[in-house]
Amino acid sequence: AQSVAQPEDQVNVAEGNPLTVKCTYSVSGNPYLFWYVQYPNRGLQFLLKYITGDNLVKGSYGFEAEFNKSQTSFHLKKPSALVSDSALYFCAVRDIGDYKLSFGAGTTVTVRA
Amino acid sequence: DAMVIQNPRYQVTQFGKPVTLSCSQTLNHNVMYWYQQKSSQAPKLLFHYYDKDFNNEADTPDNFQSRRPNTSFCFLDIRSPGLGDAAMYLCATSRQTSYNEQFFGPGTRLTVL
Repeated sequence: AQSVAQPEDQVNVAEGNPLTVKCTYSVSGNPYLFWYVQYPNRGLQFLLKYITGDNLVKGSYGFEAEFNKSQTSFHLKKPSALVSDSALYFCAVRDIGDYKLSFGAGTTVTVRA
Repeated sequence: DAMVIQNPRYQVTQFGKPVTLSCSQTLNHNVMYWYQQKSSQAPKLLFHYYDKDFNNEADTPDNFQSRRPNTSFCFLDIRSPGLGDAAMYLCATSRQTSYNEQFFGPGTRLTVL
């Protein structure tokens, strides 16, 4: 069985400060890991994914994530947050050979001006 | 631009009155998914199609049905909506391999009166 944990319901940062959204996962084999962002009354937008290779993955809108196998983590980061980054962020995992994504509970990010 | 389209964006129905939500895609993806999302919670997978093969989640109520007449279109039928079925319904697509990300439509917000 596969699962994802996002330990923080909310993250609040000031504009221009670094942003980190935490995610840990559990899978039986090697994971495929994804980050999505959701703005109010919109669908989910894909940010980035880890499949294999370099542990640091770069994605859309200046976001990046670091895969850490020993800590089973895939934290999302942005060096300098913008007010427009305020949204709901979901981490998701998929086991190899599975079509089903398992989502975390989501983390609401608020960036204050 | 290739995309996933959902109609309508907002749907109001009465308790017990059947409703159909539609999804179309121009991505030519094999796999299509329907999710239910309540109150900023994680999306909950209802079912998915791999081409014409239908895969129902074990905990999806019988009240929810789906049709996929061709590659581009997929429909969600709610036979007798209850108040608890009020939610955002998200359609998503992906290529057939499990490392590919899912592309989400903007969602249909269903209100049940």
